Amino acid sequence: EIVLTQSPGTLSLSPGERATLSCRASQSVSSSYLAWYQQKPGQAPRLLIYGASSRATGIPDRFSGSGSGTDFTLTISRLEPEDFAVYYCQQYGSSPGLTFGGGTKVEIK
Amino acid sequence: EVQLVESGGGLVQPGRSLRLSCAASGFTFDDYAMHWVRQAPGKGLEWVSGISWNSGSIGYADSVKGRFTISRDNAKNSLYLQMNSLRAEDTALYYCAKEMTTTVGPFDYWGQGTLVTVSS
Repeated sequence: EIVLTQSPGTLSLSPGERATLSCRASQSVSSSYLAWYQQKPGQAPRLLIYGASSRATGIPDRFSGSGSGTDFTLTISRLEPEDFAVYYCQQYGSSPGLTFGGGTKVEIK
Repeated sequence: EVQLVESGGGLVQPGRSLRLSCAASGFTFDDYAMHWVRQAPGKGLEWVSGISWNSGSIGYADSVKGRFTISRDNAKNSLYLQMNSLRAEDTALYYCAKEMTTTVGPFDYWGQGTLVTVSS
């Protein structure tokens, strides 16, 4: 099973700042089958990025993903008030053992 | 509009069973693999189980293997999770989720979840 480790656990930033979230895999993620989700309190997760760098439908271009192999990054170029949430990475290439990272909370400083 | 509606959660004693259902609409259900993902109170996401479009490929997390069984009825556009020998650590909000593509993909639609509480 591929273990995903997200860092930092919490990111305290102000609106307008740049957020950089990391996701490290215990082994290479095949074909960059790496996704990022956003979850707000009381809501289901929402798909942001898939294939490590492709934005899902309707996702603003301030969200971008990069990386390959074992190291991946989600960048939010300028934080909007609605971006403060918890973010999870997920690898979906090694079915049946799909896994999520532990999450990074982006909070208002 | 894609909709996934979970049901069947509730309060159950340790060692007992529960069956969750997910009613799907707004897409061609039998084209896509489906999954169950859970989230314990205040915790992160944990993939539980997944099933291919034709039930030919099924997988489980180690934490539920041998106790949970996933199934689907394409004629009824429904996904199920039979949960046996429930433990306190199975307490969570259980989400039904759809894969984005007809091959391998992330989860592009999620239900709102059904809460399972395992307690005596």
